[in-house]
Amino acid sequence: GAVVSQHPSRVICKSGTSVKIECRSLDFQATTMFWYRQFPKQSLMLMATSNEGSKATYEQGVEKDKFLINHASLTLSTLTVTSAHPEDSSFYICSARDPGTSGYYNEQFFGPGTRLTVL
Amino acid sequence: SQELEQSPQSLIVQEGKNLTINCTSSKTLYGLYWYKQKYGEGLIFLMMLQKGGEEKSHEKITAKLDEKKQQSSLHITASQPSHAGIYLCGADSGTASKLTFGTGTRLQVTL
Repeated sequence: GAVVSQHPSRVICKSGTSVKIECRSLDFQATTMFWYRQFPKQSLMLMATSNEGSKATYEQGVEKDKFLINHASLTLSTLTVTSAHPEDSSFYICSARDPGTSGYYNEQFFGPGTRLTVL
Repeated sequence: SQELEQSPQSLIVQEGKNLTINCTSSKTLYGLYWYKQKYGEGLIFLMMLQKGGEEKSHEKITAKLDEKKQQSSLHITASQPSHAGIYLCGADSGTASKLTFGTGTRLQVTL
């Protein structure tokens, strides 16, 4: 199946700094990528939909100025957590749709996740 | 918005036993996905169901989508320690191809 990578896998930063997380589709081109956030023992919450060449679509309650998304190419989307605070500590997971799969119901492939800890 | 409720929330079974996880949707399901996640890792795709009454199997895992397309079940036969993890159902809402995830079921398999 298709492979999605994330970098870094873990990051620890001081409060007030910004952190960039990369999501790459390794063997396919992804016009759409998704960013999720997962708190301990909870499900995944969709934060935003990242569209190549256009602005991201944010879910209700997600601050677009806080979580900057850039989808500059068909294989790379980045999520930047600006001025991070301890409450931003979480597990961030990206996924990408493979337009090569048949039909409307396109499967999503998930990255391994990035654990962010803000001190 | 669509909501997915999974039951049970957590499950501990002895190795070799069968188990079933349910996923119930508040709306009609256009596409239902089952994923497995190990703690602190990404999601592994298991199966996708589209049609009412559809059933798919892979190794010892079988997933079904009911005729009304509002409930799915995941059945594991003769569970093994390798089956341990968090099982998540995800629904394609039919618009913008966004996935909404269920509340998750944490499975532990004891020896």
